[in-house]
Amino acid sequence: AQKVTQAQTEISVVEKEDVTLDCVYETRDTTYYLFWYKQPPSGELVFLIRRNSFDEQNEISGRYSWNFQKSTSSFNFTITASQVVDSAVYFCALSGVYNQGGKLIFGQGTELSVKP
Amino acid sequence: KAGVTQTPRYLIKTRGQQVTLSCSPISGHRSVSWYQQTPGQGLQFLFEYFSETQRNKGNFPGRFSGRQFSNSRSEMNVSTLELGDSALYLCASSLGQVGYEQYFGPGTRLTVT
Repeated sequence: AQKVTQAQTEISVVEKEDVTLDCVYETRDTTYYLFWYKQPPSGELVFLIRRNSFDEQNEISGRYSWNFQKSTSSFNFTITASQVVDSAVYFCALSGVYNQGGKLIFGQGTELSVKP
Repeated sequence: KAGVTQTPRYLIKTRGQQVTLSCSPISGHRSVSWYQQTPGQGLQFLFEYFSETQRNKGNFPGRFSGRQFSNSRSEMNVSTLELGDSALYLCASSLGQVGYEQYFGPGTRLTVT
């Protein structure tokens, strides 16, 4: 069975603080893909990043960075110098390869609140 | 490029009625997936269509159905609505099936009274 766990339900930080959102996944597939999405109050899910299981390189995009560790089945997301506009619900998702097609399995989401 | 569009954006229906939601994918995208989002269950996969064929189905009753047209546009239908069907229904499109990022529409907020 495939599963994604985001243990942090809510996180509150003050602007300019760094914050890390945790994501742990379970899968028996050897090939799989991991994603992060952002859902601002407007409701539309916004794609942030995709990682395949063979690429463990960390990724940095501006203030965002992602740490993928197969040994601990984790794909954590860090926002550096957070801003009020980062306030949203963030979802980690997993997609297997075999017999899964494009099905995304989402974690429960972490609601991030960045206060000025 | 225009994003994924969904119509209608809001819908109020009565128990027992049926409803059809529409989704237009990003131009060139051939895969369309549907998800249900509720506060209690989170984001759950409904089904996926690729080249007019349902390729994958989530764990939902047969009252939930869908289809995809030759232009990749998709519709989903819910018959005999129940109160528990109240949710945000999200459509997503992608270039292909396996491993591609999915781009989501704004959703249809369905309220069943």
